[in-house]
Amino acid sequence: AQSVSQHNHHVILSEAASLELGCNYSYGGTVNLFWYVQYPGQHLQLLLKYFSGDPLVKGIKGFEAEFIKSKFSFNLRKPSVQWSDTAEYFCAVSQNTGGFKTIFGAGTRLFVKA
Amino acid sequence: KAGVTQTPRYLIKTRGQQVTLSCSPISGHRSVSWYQQTPGQGLQFLFEYFSETQRNKGNFPGRFSGRQFSNSRSEMNVSTLELGDSALYLCASSLGTGVEKLFFGSGTQLSVL
Repeated sequence: AQSVSQHNHHVILSEAASLELGCNYSYGGTVNLFWYVQYPGQHLQLLLKYFSGDPLVKGIKGFEAEFIKSKFSFNLRKPSVQWSDTAEYFCAVSQNTGGFKTIFGAGTRLFVKA
Repeated sequence: KAGVTQTPRYLIKTRGQQVTLSCSPISGHRSVSWYQQTPGQGLQFLFEYFSETQRNKGNFPGRFSGRQFSNSRSEMNVSTLELGDSALYLCASSLGTGVEKLFFGSGTQLSVL
């Protein structure tokens, strides 16, 4: 079955630490990849997306992600986190199955200590 | 441009009852997807509608159903509620091409007692 796996459910970092959140998916074929973020009390919103071209994509607020096709991975990175990055992060994959279905991972809760 | 609107915001029901949730997408968006969000499970895909047709369905029992109207507004219905149906139900709209982002509503928090 199609699935999206996020390696860490909870991550705690100090400000200025580097961040890498893992994401792997089990789909074959062409996929579109996304990272969404949910800040406390806010809607889910898009951080970045990949659908073709340069496998290293840059998003808002200094986040970037790298698509490695051979590893079925799309890991999220940020060189230096801030307290305001405290949120829940979701990796998502969409694929054309006669209509597009976007499947989300279980999410990673990031807490950044000031 | 108005965002995705979900009503009601909160709902309390008892086991065995049924419930209908509503979602108004962003103007011009023809695709509406529904998700169930619970702590630790992330977002579980329920179904996706495009131009009044269900294009995709997740692995939920038949008690979960939906529909989409000609103005793209969508409703989701859950019959014979169970305690495990307590969750935040999110609606997301998009143009429906699969490469653009989903726009999410605030969700309906359903509690089943």
